[in-house]
Amino acid sequence: SQQGEEDPQALSIQEGENATMNCSYKTSINNLQWYRQNSGRGLVHLILIRSNEREKHSGRLRVTLDTSKKSSSLLITASRAADTASYFCATDPDSGAGSYQLTFGKGTKLSVIP
Amino acid sequence: SQTIHQWPATLVQPVGSPLSLECTVEGTSNPNLYWYRQAAGRGLQLLFYSVGIGQISSEVPQNLSASRPQDRQFILSSKKLLLSDSGFYLCAWSGWGSGEQYFGPGTRLTVT
Repeated sequence: SQQGEEDPQALSIQEGENATMNCSYKTSINNLQWYRQNSGRGLVHLILIRSNEREKHSGRLRVTLDTSKKSSSLLITASRAADTASYFCATDPDSGAGSYQLTFGKGTKLSVIP
Repeated sequence: SQTIHQWPATLVQPVGSPLSLECTVEGTSNPNLYWYRQAAGRGLQLLFYSVGIGQISSEVPQNLSASRPQDRQFILSSKKLLLSDSGFYLCAWSGWGSGEQYFGPGTRLTVT
């Protein structure tokens, strides 16, 4: 079943603007991850935030996690045309049995217009 | 550094034909290995995962099977393909105790 759900499904912005994508999930998690997928390619891991963290930065990426609301957001600052891709959140459940299974959302398709 | 390979990149197969997709990982030992399927415009569905040679866990009952004959080799198979098996198949690996997964380039399968 789908654990994470991204919002919006599609986002179109001008180059230089910031892009914000949201993810909601349903059950307790060990961590939440964001991935990028360029059209027709494999996924690339962007950032992992653990359940005891509230915010994390990596270059132009900023991820927040609110476990009380079961939600996360991914902010890409000063977007570039090369950021055009689909972005997925993935949750690593707090099953207590070892974490092998990520559950992916359906993704947000980001288009950055030059 | 670690790399992950998948082949073939694209495949067109008739209904009822067999399937074999291969995934290999280099530069790491005893990885966790995963097979996902992605339908057009959709998220990823976990099909199988493996924590060691010969150890396969299936997540979705289906027309597919997986095997891990060597530590860094993961194979996805079918004896008879269905139209519904069409999709983009992705292999991934992760290290022990590591949450991040690293994906191969994928195989685009079209069943006609």
